[in-house]
Amino acid sequence: QSVLTQSPSASGTPGQSVTISCSGSRSNIGSNTVSWYQHLPGTAPKLLIYDNNQRPSGIPDRFSGSKSGTSASLAISGLQSEDEADYYCATWDDSLNGHVLFGGGTKLTVL
Amino acid sequence: EAQLVESGGDLVQPGRSLRLSCAASGFNFDDYAMHWVRQVPGKGLEWVAGISWNSVNIAYGDSVKGRFTISRDDAKNSLYLQMNSLRAEDTALYYCAKARITYTSACFDLWGQGTLVTVSS
Repeated sequence: QSVLTQSPSASGTPGQSVTISCSGSRSNIGSNTVSWYQHLPGTAPKLLIYDNNQRPSGIPDRFSGSKSGTSASLAISGLQSEDEADYYCATWDDSLNGHVLFGGGTKLTVL
Repeated sequence: EAQLVESGGDLVQPGRSLRLSCAASGFNFDDYAMHWVRQVPGKGLEWVAGISWNSVNIAYGDSVKGRFTISRDDAKNSLYLQMNSLRAEDTALYYCAKARITYTSACFDLWGQGTLVTVSS
């Protein structure tokens, strides 16, 4: 079980909005920035959000991130069929000399 | 174009060793921290190890600490993962990932396609 907690699944219909949450603690999300990744198994994960709410070039503004305290969220608006994928939050953890943590992942289904 | 290409994945018996490589191109490799991330079939992403740009800072995930060693050769623009005492639970697709800026973050802006390691007798 991951230290960063994500709901295992989420779903929505095309055009709808969905939010994926990520819960951590003071030593990880509470002290460091959060990144979000989109992943189709067997392919390279794609960076969607970094520094809590920044989008790399090429990522549509349908994707947005936020952080409050020890939790973070990824919001996807205007759902499209190609958004169906696994989504992971990730952050640095300051404990035990420091290490990277990934959330357990959320499988997004576009109905 | 920036690119990472992993190699070295194979079928190995439990207890044996394997060395993974990651060849970087299209960016100044020696300016960036690098990491290994894996995905066990049917499971989520798991961070394995990271190394800072100057190799001063190195860290490992709990499940591989003491068995795996991460290293880099900036002259060859290459990242390595030496895996010893392999276990069945190390079976996974191993990705090489480039840190966007700092070592102490989980922001990886470039990933390879992965190399498959299967540990089985």
